Amino acid sequence: GDSVTQMEGPVTLSEEAFLTINCTYTATGYPSLFWYVQYPGEGLQLLLKATKADDKGSNKGFEATYRKETTSFHLEKGSVQVSDSAVYFCALTRDSNYQLIWGAGTKLIIKP
Amino acid sequence: DAGVIQSPRHEVTEMGQEVTLRCKPISGHNSLFWYRQTMMRGLELLIYFNNNVPIDDSGMPEDRFSAKMPNASFSTLKIQPSEPRDSAVYFCASSWGTSGGRNIQYFGAGTRLSVL
Repeated sequence: GDSVTQMEGPVTLSEEAFLTINCTYTATGYPSLFWYVQYPGEGLQLLLKATKADDKGSNKGFEATYRKETTSFHLEKGSVQVSDSAVYFCALTRDSNYQLIWGAGTKLIIKP
Repeated sequence: DAGVIQSPRHEVTEMGQEVTLRCKPISGHNSLFWYRQTMMRGLELLIYFNNNVPIDDSGMPEDRFSAKMPNASFSTLKIQPSEPRDSAVYFCASSWGTSGGRNIQYFGAGTRLSVL
C-alpha cells in the first residue's frame, strides 16, 4: 500500500542554518504530495504542495520539489528562524482516494 | 472565516464517563475528518464524512466510539465509556475537495483528552 517515510527527529539547528527534512514515498501512479506544519498547541496547516512530477511547491521560504525518479519530496529552507520550530508532516494522496497518507512527522528545533 | 472550530480545547474525565467532542467545519466544505494523534501511533484517521454521510469509519477503534454529522455545520465524536488509553489529541479537519491536489484539509486546534 501507499506509504510515506520521513527522517526521524528531532532535528536541531541554529538560527540561519540551512534546513533539509527528507521525505520519500511509495505509491503507484502520480500522487499529490504535501507538507503540513504543526506549531505547538495547534492543529496542522498546509505549508506547500505539488501535484505532478517536477513541480516545486513553495511558501514562507520553504520549498519542496516532486521527484518522481527518486520518489522524494524533501523540504528545504535556506535560513531557518526560531519561529520555524514545529513538527513537519509529509503526506500524499491519490486522485482516486480521499485519504491523506501521513508520515510520522519530524520535530524541528531551532536554537537562537 | 474563523476556520475549523473544536470544543472543548481540553477535557479531563474519569474512566467510564461519556465524552463528547464537537466540531464546526469551515462553511462550504463538504468533507469532514476526525483524527486522533498520539506519540505512539502518530496521526490516525478515525472517520470520514462526505456531504454529512459517513463514508469510511474503518479507523474507529471500537464500538465505544461513535460519530455523527447531523448537518453541514456540526459534527460530534463520542466516546462511551471512556478508557485511559483513549487519552490523545483529537482533531477535526474539513475540506472542499477530496481529489488529489484539491484534498487540502484544514484542521481545528484539537481537543486534548485526558482520561484518568
